[in-house]
Amino acid sequence: SQQGEEDPQALSIQEGENATMNCSYKTSINNLQWYRQNSGRGLVHLILIRSNEREKHSGRLRVTLDTSKKSSSLLITASRAADTASYFCATSTGANSKLTFGKGITLSVRP
Amino acid sequence: DGGITQSPKYLFRKEGQNVTLSCEQNLNHDAMYWYRQDPGQGLRLIYYSQIVNDFQKGDIAEGYSVSREKKESFPLTVTSAQKNPTAFYLCASSLGGGALEQFFGPGTRLTVL
Repeated sequence: SQQGEEDPQALSIQEGENATMNCSYKTSINNLQWYRQNSGRGLVHLILIRSNEREKHSGRLRVTLDTSKKSSSLLITASRAADTASYFCATSTGANSKLTFGKGITLSVRP
Repeated sequence: DGGITQSPKYLFRKEGQNVTLSCEQNLNHDAMYWYRQDPGQGLRLIYYSQIVNDFQKGDIAEGYSVSREKKESFPLTVTSAQKNPTAFYLCASSLGGGALEQFFGPGTRLTVL
């Protein structure tokens, strides 16, 4: 079964609005990562948050992690049409473990 | 430019044929990975290698084989034993163990005719 599951499956917003995407997981993690994938392309790493961190920022991205609820959220502020993509969370359960990816969220930002 | 490349971008294969997908990186990363992505699905790990001349099966290794003779290269062979090989294949690398940030290639779309 998937370790990370994103919610919602699809999200459509207007340019300039904020987009919030959620990821839930089942077992304890070492870290959680978010990736972006443009249609037909490879994934691009966005941000990594460790299990002892609660929040990280990178430009317009803000990621939170709540280990008590086994969940994370990715917030994209002031969205742009170029943010249209699929977003995946991936979890790692140990320093040398594999990454397990969720099924992804399709974000559409309307100009 | 440092990066990870995959070739070809599109590949067509007849049923019963083996086919090899190329993956090369010049990032000096120790670890490399092969994933399979089906429409609307996440990534599933096929094989991974944490060091030259060593590799391990992932979650869906049946019908696939790999080699890691050089640090920069990790080719994937899709054999005729793979019952449903049509998919998008992604190669990735990371500096060390699997918990680190992974860098992805552009992918190879394999279609079985």
